[in-house]
Amino acid sequence: QVQLVESGGGVVQPGRSLRLSCVASGFTFGRYAMHWVRQAPGKGLEWVAVSSFDGTIEYYAESLRGRFTISRDNSNSTLYLQMNSLRPDDTAFYYCAGRAYYFDYWGQGTLVTVSS
Amino acid sequence: IVMTQSPATLSVSPGERATLSCRTSQSISNNLAWYQQKPGQAPRLLIYGASTRATGVPVKFSGSGSGTEFTLTISSLQSEDFAVYYCQQYDNWLPITFGQGTRLEIK
Repeated sequence: QVQLVESGGGVVQPGRSLRLSCVASGFTFGRYAMHWVRQAPGKGLEWVAVSSFDGTIEYYAESLRGRFTISRDNSNSTLYLQMNSLRPDDTAFYYCAGRAYYFDYWGQGTLVTVSS
Repeated sequence: IVMTQSPATLSVSPGERATLSCRTSQSISNNLAWYQQKPGQAPRLLIYGASTRATGVPVKFSGSGSGTEFTLTISSLQSEDFAVYYCQQYDNWLPITFGQGTRLEIK
């Protein structure tokens, strides 16, 4: 069955960096665009970034451009999110999601808490 | 594109029908999806293309609309249907935006 398993979340101080990973299984990962979507505790969903199926095209939410970088390794069916200069308002559950521009596959999420 | 869902909270009795609304700030044709999210869980895709049910979604969930006005209707509400519902647009692909959500609660 389809699985997306995120990891890499945790507590980090403001200004520091963190890299999230999402390992996919049960479908042909390299055929599809993949996204990161985040959700602050008790709040709504916010789209973060997308990587094209081959990783050659990336696009970001305007407010995050320059601090976050999405990438992928199709040989290992893994999606990444590099997050730099983290701020308290980046605190959220981070989900990887696919497979098109609406999301039929979701991971369980990984919690990132930015706090001193 | 700004998404506006209404109402923010909807109270409905079990067995009745719920109607949720999503409005967009500009026309998105039928490039709209609906999701259900229960506490502690990831969202679940219900509807895409404004009216096409995702795999395994019961027929009690139906979507309609095009342009800027969309509706999700849930018939014969059962306890497992009470959750938060989000709409999402993907017209012109990017940036993708979500509505702020409608909380469907038991009356």
